[in-house]
Amino acid sequence: KNQVEQSPQSLIILEGKNCTLQCNYTVSPFSNLRWYKQDTGRGPVSLTIMTFSENTKSNGRYTATLDADTKQSSLHITASQLSDSASYICVVSQFTSGTYKYIFGTGTRLKVLA
Amino acid sequence: GAVVSQHPSRVICKSGTSVKIECRSLDFQATTMFWYRQFPKQSLMLMATSNEGSKATYEQGVEKDKFLINHASLTLSTLTVTSAHPEDSSFYICSARDTGRTLGHEQYFGPGTRLTVT
Repeated sequence: KNQVEQSPQSLIILEGKNCTLQCNYTVSPFSNLRWYKQDTGRGPVSLTIMTFSENTKSNGRYTATLDADTKQSSLHITASQLSDSASYICVVSQFTSGTYKYIFGTGTRLKVLA
Repeated sequence: GAVVSQHPSRVICKSGTSVKIECRSLDFQATTMFWYRQFPKQSLMLMATSNEGSKATYEQGVEKDKFLINHASLTLSTLTVTSAHPEDSSFYICSARDTGRTLGHEQYFGPGTRLTVT
């Protein structure tokens, strides 16, 4: 079964601290993996995208890693800011029957406190 | 670039009425648009996939007669919730696929529409 699992479900950290979010997937065939940030009451915004051959991708203070062998990804946030408070969603894209399908993780809700 | 808009952002309606939500790709053409529903503290659930000029493909368990989707142009798709009931209250998000770009045919998400049925 194609699944994307994320951990932890929620996380509270102090401003300025780093954190790492995890994503495990069992999607096949795999096309690419994306991390999205979703602010409360808003649509998801893409942070990073990685294909099978990429191990790491950075976007400012966000760094995503991908281990295609173990089917694991992580999103590391450096020097967190209050504005980082949001849900972070891992999405694996699957190419099947001639079309791309997104498989969504359940998300990690991050709260950054002053 | 790659902006997707939704209108309205919030809507409150009475039970039994119908509500239409618009999704527009502002600076690109989208042959395929997707409609998602998101309940509190849950992830996005795909409701249907619409292709311009053809009927939408609905996910299992989604009533096509209740959630009417029209994708009449390359920049506009609409979702009509017919005879809405309180259990239809949710956050509805659309996304548009820009088939003109590479890298996995990226989907761009709209800002969402909060529907409350009283």
